[in-house]
Order: sequence, then structure tokens, then C-alpha cells
Amino acid sequence: EIVLTQSPGTLSLSPGERATLSCRASQSVSSTYLAWYQQKPGQAPRLLIYGASRRATGIADRFSGGGSGTDFTLTISRVEPEDFAVYYCQQYGTSPPMYTFGQGTKLEIK
Amino acid sequence: QVQLQEWGAGLLKPSETLSLTCGVSGYSINGGHYWSWIRQPPGKGLEWIGEIVHSGDTNYNPSLKSRVTISVDTSKNYLSLKLSSVTAADTAVYYCARNGDYSADYWGQGTLVTVSS
Repeated sequence: EIVLTQSPGTLSLSPGERATLSCRASQSVSSTYLAWYQQKPGQAPRLLIYGASRRATGIADRFSGGGSGTDFTLTISRVEPEDFAVYYCQQYGTSPPMYTFGQGTKLEIK
Repeated sequence: QVQLQEWGAGLLKPSETLSLTCGVSGYSINGGHYWSWIRQPPGKGLEWIGEIVHSGDTNYNPSLKSRVTISVDTSKNYLSLKLSSVTAADTAVYYCARNGDYSADYWGQGTLVTVSS
């Protein structure tokens, strides 16, 4: 089973700053199988990025994903007040077929 | 617009069986997508439980496989989750979701299940 480790655990930034969130996999992951979600308190997660770099429907272009192999990043070019939330990366594995999530990064207001 | 709604018993005793249903509207379960159950213990991260497609083919998280059954009722556009022999560790918000491109693109709002004696 592939383990995803996200860093940092908490990221403290001011609105307008650039956010870079990391997701490291214990084994190489196909970019096709890597996704990012945003979750706000009391809400279900929302898909932001799939296929490592493809924005989901309706997602603002300040969100971007990148990386390959074992290292992936989610970047928010200029953090807006509504972006403060917890972010999860997720990968799909084929043997056995299953999804696993990272432990999350909390983006908080500085 | 695709919408999902979970419901079921919210309070269980240890050793009982958790039973939840997810109703899908705005999209047919026969549409070819897989449908997942995912859970989140209070204050913790996300754990994938398993998935099903309209034909009934399933995949389960190996850590839960012995206790989980996911089924689908295409006539009602529902999917269901059963988790047997629950303990306090199964206390969580349970979500159903539609699988898109190796990701979950639509989610229900979640339902809290508490296991307590």
C-alpha cells in the first residue's frame, strides 16, 4: 500500500501570499492517479485537482497542481480568505484497487 | 446537477452492524462511474472504505474488507454500506461519493455515525 505524507502539517500565511503544499508518496505514483481536495469545517471535501495538474470544474485558476513520481505539489498563487481550510492529497492504487489519502495540511490565517 | 444524500442510523452499540444508504439524484447509477464510501473520524483524516459499479463489482479497503459490504440498487438509484461488528474506532462521518477520473468528484454532505455503549 502506498503511503502519502503531506507537509507541512500546518501552513500559516496571510491573504495574498503564495501557498505551496507538498505530498510525498512512499512509491512512485502515476500522475493520472493523483488528486487534491479542499475541506472546510463541517463540509464534505471538494475536488480541486485530478490527474496531478487538471483543475476540476469550477475551480479558480489560482489553484494549480504539479509534480511527478513521488513528489507532488498544490500551489495557491495568491491565497484568498476563503482558501483557509484543510487540503488532502489522494492517490489511486491498482494492486489492489484502492484509494489512499494523505493526512492533510491545514492552511491557516497568519 | 449530481447530488448525493446519505442516511441511516446515527447511534450504534459495539458489535452492531452499521447500515447506511446513499441516494443519488441528477445522475443515473447506471452511468458507468464507480461509487465510493469514505469515512472521517472526528478531527481526523479521510479513509476510503470501498467502491461499487452498477454491475455490482466491488473493491474494498483491505483493512476493512472482512467487515464491509457495499451494494447497489439501480432501480432506486441507491448505494448502500454495511459494516459489521462496529467498535468505537468506527465512529466517523461517512460520505458517499462519485468516482470521476481516479478521484471523487461529487460528495454527499456526510452522516455522523457514533458507536457507544
